[in-house]
Amino acid sequence: QKEVEQDPGPLSVPEGAIVSLNCTYSNSAFQYFMWYRQYSRKGPELLMYTYSSGNKEDGRFTAQVDKSSKYISLFIRDSQPSDSATYLCAAYSGGYNKLIFGAGTRLAVHP
Amino acid sequence: DGGITQSPKYLFRKEGQNVTLSCEQNLNHDAMYWYRQDPGQGLRLIYYSQIVNDFQKGDIAEGYSVSREKKESFPLTVTSAQKNPTAFYLCASSGPWGRNNEQFFGPGTRLTVL
Repeated sequence: QKEVEQDPGPLSVPEGAIVSLNCTYSNSAFQYFMWYRQYSRKGPELLMYTYSSGNKEDGRFTAQVDKSSKYISLFIRDSQPSDSATYLCAAYSGGYNKLIFGAGTRLAVHP
Repeated sequence: DGGITQSPKYLFRKEGQNVTLSCEQNLNHDAMYWYRQDPGQGLRLIYYSQIVNDFQKGDIAEGYSVSREKKESFPLTVTSAQKNPTAFYLCASSGPWGRNNEQFFGPGTRLTVL
């Protein structure tokens, strides 16, 4: 079992839809959770950063962490074609001192 | 303009050759990382370095080598011992300030073995 599981998609939605991207993780030692966005043939860029359980909102993006169920989510409101990219979740534990990435979900938002 | 640069953007290698991928950062970050990305597998850690003149193997270090002689530079050599080197290679760095587990990525190098 991978430490961070993520459905690779692809996920196709119409412009304006609410998108829900999800990951599960197995190691309860993970404390920090991140979402990266990666456009085709580019390096990933950090989108959201959360610590422990709860929600964090930034514009159209909301990151949610539920440590009791080991579940992390990214919601995108009013999705735009420019949101079309691969979204990678990642988890970090100080004990491991490295980021563990999910496989990435490819999202396509069509006009 | 701070950031991470990787060169070349595309690299072609013949079987049996060693190639070196460049990674430079001017963010004054102590830690640097090399990842490999294959379709459907996310990012896998090859090597990382927390400080100059020190580095550790990641999850898939076999067939790769690195050096960290300068804080700004962390080159990766893909040796002929790497059985399946065709992939997208990403370099990242993280700093000691604030959220030191937040990694910043370069634009990547796509390596193809002919």
